Amino acid sequence: AQSVTQLGSHVSVSEGALVLLRCNYSSSVPPYLFWYVQYPNQGLQLLLKYTTGATLVKGINGFEAEFKKSETSFHLTKPSAHMSDAAEYFCAVSAQGGSEKLVFGKGTKLTVNP
Amino acid sequence: DVKVTQSSRYLVKRTGEKVFLECVQDMDHENMFWYRQDPGLGLRLIYFSYDVKMKEKGDIPEGYSVSREKKERFSLILESASTNQTSMYLCASIHSGTNNEQFFGPGTRLTVL
Repeated sequence: AQSVTQLGSHVSVSEGALVLLRCNYSSSVPPYLFWYVQYPNQGLQLLLKYTTGATLVKGINGFEAEFKKSETSFHLTKPSAHMSDAAEYFCAVSAQGGSEKLVFGKGTKLTVNP
Repeated sequence: DVKVTQSSRYLVKRTGEKVFLECVQDMDHENMFWYRQDPGLGLRLIYFSYDVKMKEKGDIPEGYSVSREKKERFSLILESASTNQTSMYLCASIHSGTNNEQFFGPGTRLTVL
């Protein structure tokens, strides 16, 4: 079975500051890992994903995440926050070679202050 | 471009009504999913389907049923809507055998009065 823990249901940063959203996962098999973003009243949009290979993955809008197996983490970062980054972010995990179901974290709402 | 559409963005129904939420994808994906999203709870899987006429229960199937008569369409049915089914409902699809990236529709915000 898999699970995801997102630390911090709300994160607030100033415009131009570093964004760090934390995600820890549990999986008994090699995982696929995802970050999705949801803007108000919209569906989820994929930011980035880790499948295999390079552990540092780059996504859209300047975001990146690093898969750290030893820490079972997949934290999302962006060097400089923009007002347009204000949204809710979801981390998700699924099993490589297994069911195609995703298990989601409970989400982190990011606020960007001017 | 990949597209998942849902029949309504906003829906208001009364307790006891039968409610149909429709989802259509144009990507020839085999697998389709229905989630509900509630504040502080994230996304929870209601049902999924890996082929026409095939379905499996997710984590919270109680009070819901589904129908998949055609590959592109996956319907979520609330047989007798209740106020605790007021929520955002999201549909997603995925091509079987890929790396499990799901494509999401815009969501239907359902209010049951």
